[in-house]
Amino acid sequence: DSGVTQTPKHLITATGQRVTLRCSPRSGDLSVYWYQQSLDQGLQFLIQYYNGEERAKGNILERFSAQQFPDLHSELNLSSLELGDSALYFCASSVEAGGITDTQYFGPGTRLTVL
Amino acid sequence: SQKIEQNSEALNIQEGKTATLTCNYTNYSPAYLQWYRQDPGRGPVFLLLIRENEKEKRKERLKVTFDTTLKQSLFHITASQPADSATYLCALAGDSSASKIIFGSGTRLSIRP
Repeated sequence: DSGVTQTPKHLITATGQRVTLRCSPRSGDLSVYWYQQSLDQGLQFLIQYYNGEERAKGNILERFSAQQFPDLHSELNLSSLELGDSALYFCASSVEAGGITDTQYFGPGTRLTVL
Repeated sequence: SQKIEQNSEALNIQEGKTATLTCNYTNYSPAYLQWYRQDPGRGPVFLLLIRENEKEKRKERLKVTFDTTLKQSLFHITASQPADSATYLCALAGDSSASKIIFGSGTRLSIRP
């Protein structure tokens, strides 16, 4: 158990809908990272927040947005969902903002299925 | 474009032998390289980080090499055990920013008793 929690575990929704994925980092970690893992694209970095501020951005679609709250939990909002958004979404956390140089602890993921 | 290649086929190894996984990259000059383990339906688990100026890194039964001339990293598990069966991902970054991290597709390793 990494100490990172994600809810919900599974999510099934329809095209065009909007969903919110939630992540609670390990106690004491200030950075939260969001990743998407699909069969055809592999694991891809989406966005990082550090202590409430956006720190780094990957190939995140404009339909997707995220935020980190004062208690350091984070939410990833996905809107106007398409079939191709079906994937595993992972959250990871680390103590500092060092990106690849910080050990990132991954949560169990949220499996999103868009029908 | 930048490309990372890992053995696309599963690797089957007899218990006790050394498993060697390969991560090749093209059109890229990474400053950092990581290896992760991922079990089915679970999040990746960080194993090792190696920097471009380091040739080799070890941790218990794990060893990673980083050859910037060959554009290749090798990941070794010595005295392999069935519990080492998993998918192993390599990740590279041109600098420490998370926005520069790219992952390979992973190699599935199976250790038979």
